Amino acid sequence: SQQGEEDPQALSIQEGENATMNCSYKTSINNLQWYRQNSGRGLVHLILIRSNEREKHSGRLRVTLDTSKKSSSLLITASRAADTASYFCATDGGTSGSRLTFGEGTQLTVNP
Amino acid sequence: DTGVSQNPRHKITKRGQNVTFRCDPISEHNRLYWYRQTLGQGPEFLTYFQNEAQLEKSRLLSDRFSAERPKGSFSTLEIQRTEQGDSAMYLCASSLGTGYQPQHFGDGTRLSIL
Repeated sequence: SQQGEEDPQALSIQEGENATMNCSYKTSINNLQWYRQNSGRGLVHLILIRSNEREKHSGRLRVTLDTSKKSSSLLITASRAADTASYFCATDGGTSGSRLTFGEGTQLTVNP
Repeated sequence: DTGVSQNPRHKITKRGQNVTFRCDPISEHNRLYWYRQTLGQGPEFLTYFQNEAQLEKSRLLSDRFSAERPKGSFSTLEIQRTEQGDSAMYLCASSLGTGYQPQHFGDGTRLSIL
């Protein structure tokens, strides 16, 4: 079964608003990653946060990690129509460089 | 950096036929991964290689599936005697094998079984 679980499953917002997606996981991790997938395309890596980090920023993206709650959140600020995509969190199960376990993803729709 | 390349992009075949997909990773990456993704789901791990060695295989990889990476560069994934349930997007990713490195994905091969 999938380890990561994203919440919500679907999110629809207006351009300029912020979007927050949450992810929960079950086992220990070395790092947690967030990916974006446009329809019919492969996954694009967004950000990686290590288990000893609590927050990380990249442009309009902010990721938090709470290992005590086994949860992470992805915040996209000032959203754009081009941000419309599916977003997945992925965990490495405690071994860097090995398999990633993905959640079912959050489908984000940003309306112009 | 030309990215991860997968061929073909689409494959339509009849049930019972064999199919083979190819993945060309980013040239300096020594790790290569295969995932399968069905509609509305996240990718599921199938197998991965470090150089030419296959280090891990998922239980999803039945006897009908075989993956190779003969020279530690490109990889092939073969499915024998395809079944309806094999219809999915097959994704390949590559990464550097050291430290905390992200996996870089290709655009996948979509397999449709008639």
